[in-house]
Amino acid sequence: GDSVTQMEGPVTLSEEAFLTINCTYTATGYPSLFWYVQYPGEGLQLLLKATKADDKGSNKGFEATYRKETTSFHLEKGSVQVSDSAVYFCALSDNNDMRFGAGTRLTVKP
Amino acid sequence: DGGITQSPKYLFRKEGQNVTLSCEQNLNHDAMYWYRQDPGQGLRLIYYSQIVNDFQKGDIAEGYSVSREKKESFPLTVTSAQKNPTAFYLCASSPRVKAGNTIYFGEGSWLTVV
Repeated sequence: GDSVTQMEGPVTLSEEAFLTINCTYTATGYPSLFWYVQYPGEGLQLLLKATKADDKGSNKGFEATYRKETTSFHLEKGSVQVSDSAVYFCALSDNNDMRFGAGTRLTVKP
Repeated sequence: DGGITQSPKYLFRKEGQNVTLSCEQNLNHDAMYWYRQDPGQGLRLIYYSQIVNDFQKGDIAEGYSVSREKKESFPLTVTSAQKNPTAFYLCASSPRVKAGNTIYFGEGSWLTVV
């Protein structure tokens, strides 16, 4: 069945460092892809999405490009801030179902 | 403000008791979902509902029950049959169950068995 694999954490970076969190997927159809962010003790918030190959989702300085040839949707940000510290989830939606990765915890130190 | 409200935020359950977690949405969404999140892990789908008076089992439905009597409400009951219920429970909704639709989440409820 469909599944999402994301880079294991935790990831610790200094402020203003470059961020990449890897995400790859397995799907039989043509899924939509998402990144969600979860701050401590809260629910998940949509960060960005892409619905077809080569689409780029972007929000709050984060970007991810839907790469069908490599079945990937890696999350990037050029300069992270302390406030970006959270858990990030990659997800796919296909055939009336949404599958989530295990989450990657990011800690940004001043 | 539109959104999804879960209550209570924290709940303690004695072994052998049933407990019900509330979820209400005022987004006029057709579809609603319940997920379970264990520490350091991803989300697992318990139940989902596409329309009033209809719901489907997810990956880990055993020991849980739901109802969908109103479009706005999708309560989850954690029964005594659920052997390891301590977890963070997330309710969510989307305009309908359709590939590509964004799912919106509530703030979550922490359930602890004491």
